[in-house]
Amino acid sequence: TQLLEQSPQFLSIQEGENLTVYCNSSSVFSSLQWYRQEPGEGPVLLVTVVTGGEVKKLKRLTFQFGDARKDSSLHITAAQPGDTGLYLCAGGANDYKLSFGAGTTVTVRA
Amino acid sequence: GAVVSQHPSRVICKSGTSVKIECRSLDFQATTMFWYRQFPKQSLMLMATSNEGSKATYEQGVEKDKFLINHASLTLSTLTVTSAHPEDSSFYICSTATADTQYFGPGTRLTVL
Repeated sequence: TQLLEQSPQFLSIQEGENLTVYCNSSSVFSSLQWYRQEPGEGPVLLVTVVTGGEVKKLKRLTFQFGDARKDSSLHITAAQPGDTGLYLCAGGANDYKLSFGAGTTVTVRA
Repeated sequence: GAVVSQHPSRVICKSGTSVKIECRSLDFQATTMFWYRQFPKQSLMLMATSNEGSKATYEQGVEKDKFLINHASLTLSTLTVTSAHPEDSSFYICSTATADTQYFGPGTRLTVL
């Protein structure tokens, strides 16, 4: 059972457009991570957020952690073909385990 | 972040044989590692938690006698898929854990014929 729900499941946009991926849960997490995974490779960490209401920016990527630490969003500005991949959110507990969302497959067309 | 390697990256085996996958933490000592399985176009499913010097903890529904985990040192955990069958074909990924983040290996693609 996935504790984290990601939406949308698939997203296909044109280069230069913006996109937002959502990650929601009924559970409170001590931290939340976002990963990007390309086919045939392991997930690569993009960001970890730990404080409710926290906003982090990584170049064209903006991450928000909800005030109640139950939800998060990833916003990409002016998407590029290199942003194509599977985006995964994961909630952390105190036992180091992660609960993963189902993932959002993002395709950016040139 | 931590650097994690896996070996082999790809393996093809016959049904009934056993396959060992290695996961190495290259730049820090990992008392805890995790093993995941990922089917095509799906998310990661945690199989087990590997603890250095003690028995692994398996998630519900994962057969411990089929997926043998050994974590004999702080830099190496191994997953052995015993008597592999075609339904075991999958992408196996390990990770190491820090306080609030996991770092993943590049994965091992297992194909059982």
